[in-house]
Amino acid sequence: EAGVAQSPRYKIIEKRQSVAFWCNPISGHATLYWYQQILGQGPKLLIQFQNNGVVDDSQLPKDRFSAERLKGVDSTLKIQPAKLEDSAVYLCASSLVRRAGAFFGQGTRLTVV
Amino acid sequence: AQTVTQSQPEMSVQEAETVTLSCTYDTSESDYYLFWYKQPPSRQMILVIRQEAYKQQNATENRFSVNFQKAAKSFSLKISDSQLGDAAMYFCAYVRGGSEKLVFGKGTKLTVNP
Repeated sequence: EAGVAQSPRYKIIEKRQSVAFWCNPISGHATLYWYQQILGQGPKLLIQFQNNGVVDDSQLPKDRFSAERLKGVDSTLKIQPAKLEDSAVYLCASSLVRRAGAFFGQGTRLTVV
Repeated sequence: AQTVTQSQPEMSVQEAETVTLSCTYDTSESDYYLFWYKQPPSRQMILVIRQEAYKQQNATENRFSVNFQKAAKSFSLKISDSQLGDAAMYFCAYVRGGSEKLVFGKGTKLTVNP
């Protein structure tokens, strides 16, 4: 079974630029999560999709972050414009049922300079 | 709001010995699930073990086991016969029934000394 795929692995951008991350979840997983993980901290949920609908985006900075899930499968997370404090690892995860837990991709390390 | 607390920022253990990582959580729900994740330097989160709140029996996965104390809202992870490859950040996580929202603690950094 293929795992969660994310790209790119690394990205360096200047502040005020835009950036996009892509995620392909495990086939059949209805739930998709995007997390932000700042160095030395636990993952913070940014947005959660159930199929192509948003379940929770309460911690998404909507003035600069946006996300979509196309046809309930792939998802993109965009930041525009980026700030220095957006430097973090962005993790995508998917889940079939909550009792099984979520499965994560390798993450994208974003550095904003 | 549900919270997950890991009170040990760092722990160390000698190779082949046993270590226990602590986790407490705050919830008013009766239906929920608990997880331990491992995050090595490669940064991919790996699911180590899961526990369903309605099950009294503690979960085990090879060298990994949990001590689930529902009344105390405690969910500790025991690693037996520690190996160098166990060195990583360990995160406790919670999801409640009726929601898929997965909430993480701040993590414990485990060092395994040879």
